Amino acid sequence: AQSVTQLGSHVSVSEGALVLLRCNYSSSVPPYLFWYVQYPNQGLQLLLKYTTGATLVKGINGFEAEFKKSETSFHLTKPSAHMSDAAEYFCAVIQRGGTDKLIFGTGTRLQVFP
Amino acid sequence: KAGVTQTPRYLIKTRGQQVTLSCSPISGHRSVSWYQQTPGQGLQFLFEYFSETQRNKGNFPGRFSGRQFSNSRSEMNVSTLELGDSALYLCASSQGTSGGIDEQFFGPGTRLTVL
Repeated sequence: AQSVTQLGSHVSVSEGALVLLRCNYSSSVPPYLFWYVQYPNQGLQLLLKYTTGATLVKGINGFEAEFKKSETSFHLTKPSAHMSDAAEYFCAVIQRGGTDKLIFGTGTRLQVFP
Repeated sequence: KAGVTQTPRYLIKTRGQQVTLSCSPISGHRSVSWYQQTPGQGLQFLFEYFSETQRNKGNFPGRFSGRQFSNSRSEMNVSTLELGDSALYLCASSQGTSGGIDEQFFGPGTRLTVL
């Protein structure tokens, strides 16, 4: 069965520092890969997704992620953190050729200190 | 274009009762999926409806059910509520025609508390 592992339930960075949130998937066939963000008392918002093509994907709010098949990873990065980036981030996958069933990781809460 | 709306936003019920949650998708979207979010289990897929048919189902007991109407609005029902059903219930809509590639847009959720 598909699964997603997010290393680190909490990550803290200083404003202006690099943000790196880790995500690994487990399946023999690379799935579609997604990163979502959730602000307090809100639903989820899609940051970016990888389905096919270029392995470096750029998303909203300056975030990007790189699909690395050899490492079964899809880590999320942002060069310079802003206070407004403080939120919970979820990596998710959908099996290729399937329907809309998202399988989520356990989430990483990002704190940004001034 | 209006986003996904969920009603009610907050709900308090007691054990043994049943509850119905509603989700109105973005206009033109035919797929509606439901997810349960709890601190202990995280985000878990409940089921997906497409054109009034359940297309996919997660690993939840039969107390959890849903349906979709011809206008794509969806409801989920939980019968015989248990304390462990306390959660944020999120619905998401998409066009649902591209095998998982379509972006899913999430509503703000319904916070259910079971006492």
